[in-house]
Order: sequence, then structure tokens, then C-alpha cells
Amino acid sequence: QVQLVQSGAEVKKPGASVKVSCKASGYTFTSYDINWVRQATGQGLEWMGWMNPNSGNTGYAPKFQGRVTMTRNTSISTAYMELSSLTSEDTAVYYCARAFQSVSTVVMGYWGQGTLVTVSS
Amino acid sequence: DIQMTQSPSTLSASVGDRVTITCRASQSMSSWLAWYQQKPGKAPKLLIYKASTLESGVPSRFSGSGSGTEFTLTISSLQPDDFATYYCQQYYSYSTFGQGTKVEIK
Repeated sequence: QVQLVQSGAEVKKPGASVKVSCKASGYTFTSYDINWVRQATGQGLEWMGWMNPNSGNTGYAPKFQGRVTMTRNTSISTAYMELSSLTSEDTAVYYCARAFQSVSTVVMGYWGQGTLVTVSS
Repeated sequence: DIQMTQSPSTLSASVGDRVTITCRASQSMSSWLAWYQQKPGKAPKLLIYKASTLESGVPSRFSGSGSGTEFTLTISSLQPDDFATYYCQQYYSYSTFGQGTKVEIK
């Protein structure tokens, strides 16, 4: 079965960077795009961007352009999302999510368990 | 950016009620819209894509309609498992989510 397992909770200071990992199993990693979505406590969902694990091509939401980097290591079926210049506004649960079909990109059918990133001085 | 506006923000309903949630886009986006359900502490679940296509395994009481700038999600007969927050998502130009609609017990 498809599984996305994310790395554990992080606490970062303002100005620092965070890198969250998302290990995929149960399917061919390079065949489906990976998205990253975040959710602050009690707030809605915010799409951050997508990555094609085969080519490494990415597309970022304008809000995060210049501050987010999505990468992958195909040998271990793992996607990464790095967010820099953190502020308290970046405190949220970060989800990785796989496209539900191989021809889709940002419609997400499988989700990781979420990673809480807390930014605090 | 395409902005997505859902209404209402909160909806109080009873088991068996017919429930409709609306999602409006700031510009026309054909039918490139999905709906998700999210329960507290859980990741979202895909319900509908391309405005009206039911994802596999989703109960038929869920349906979606609309195109252009106005879309609806309808639950024909609300069940206890349906009390949750629902989000629309446009994927015409990158992607954005609506702010969510919480369906709570009346």
C-alpha cells in the first residue's frame, strides 16, 4: 500500500532553515508528483508547491518562491522540502502529498502524517 | 493568483440533512477543481476531482458540480462520519485552497 512517512517534529529559531523529509513506499517513486501543503494550527490548507521526482522539475507557489526548495533522492524514494528565513508565521504542520494519478500533478490522493515545525526564539 | 472563497465558513446540520457548500473562484478555471475532507488531527482526504468526478471509494452521497467560477459540493444525506471540514482546491493555475467549511452537528 502507498505510504508517505515524514520526519519528526522540529523546533527552529527565527531566521533559520528547516528541511522536512518524506519517504515513499508501495509504489514507483518517480511516477507520481509530490506536493507540499502546510496548515497552521486552527487554520486552512496552504499549497506550497510540487516536484516531479523523475525530472526534479518543481513549481512553487508565488508566496514561497525564493524561500522554498523541493528536492529528492530517488535511490531512497525520499522527497525533501526546505524552507529558509523562518519566522513565527511559518509555525505549522507540513504535509507531503502524492498526486492521486500519474497524469495529475497537484490533485493529492495520498498524504504523509504531517510534520510540526515550530519557529520560536 | 486565483483566489478561492468558500461559503459558508461554518454550517450546522443534522444527520440526514442535505448539505451544500459553495466555492467561488476569482477567475474562470474551467472544471479544474477538487474537494477534500479533513477531520481534526488527520490529513485531508480527496473526495472529488475535475469538479464532479468522485474519487474511488468515496460514498455516492457526495457529489460535485459547477464550472467556470462557481462550484458546489453536496452531501445528499449527512451521515455521522461526515462532520468535518471541507476544502475546495483549484488546480487551473498552480494551486490554491479555499479557506474551508466546517460542518458541525446542529
